[in-house]
Amino acid sequence: DTAVSQTPKYLVTQMGNDKSIKCEQNLGHDTMYWYKQDSKKFLKIMFSYNNKELIINETVPNRFSPKSPDKAHLNLHINSLELGDSAVYFCASSQTARYGYTFGSGTRLTVV
Amino acid sequence: KQEVTQIPAALSVPEGENLVLNCSFTDSAIYNLQWFRQDPGKGLTSLLLIQSSQREQTSGRLNASLDKSSGRSTLYIAASQPGDSATYLCALASGNTPLVFGKGTRLSVIA
Repeated sequence: DTAVSQTPKYLVTQMGNDKSIKCEQNLGHDTMYWYKQDSKKFLKIMFSYNNKELIINETVPNRFSPKSPDKAHLNLHINSLELGDSAVYFCASSQTARYGYTFGSGTRLTVV
Repeated sequence: KQEVTQIPAALSVPEGENLVLNCSFTDSAIYNLQWFRQDPGKGLTSLLLIQSSQREQTSGRLNASLDKSSGRSTLYIAASQPGDSATYLCALASGNTPLVFGKGTRLSVIA
């Protein structure tokens, strides 16, 4: 069973479109995250949710809106996509920071 | 603010060599340090997790050490194989801050 699953794996879309990426974890973890990996492969935190509540929003443009319907799901909706949004987006979860993180396999977003 | 540096950025070694990847960090008030592996176009696989109270962790041919006082961690890979070729990422958890990553070391093991 996949611990942290993301869909879709690949997403190609035109500038200006709105798209969503879904994430689900079956580990029973309380905290979920979205990370962005840029073209230079650097991973940077975007959002952190604990038990459906937003904890951290790292100065991400408000075109990005995370939504957590329950603690097992954290979806990422992006409005008015721009070329610079092209990246790989990773979802992750942890029980607490002390027990390590589990990452999904990533969603490669390409904006054309 | 935690900063994580990984040296070298890239490393190429012949098969069978033992090698060391380095990670340094600026804030020693950490919960733990996690080493990940990322294959091209793939996700992150956790290799080893070292709690702040531990000095090292071992898994198979991998050994990770942690020295909080000097702000350093090393990942030792014994008897390297071509299948070890990947990018290795060091990441630290501390306080209420989500995992902070280094930029990785890209390892190539040549058969």
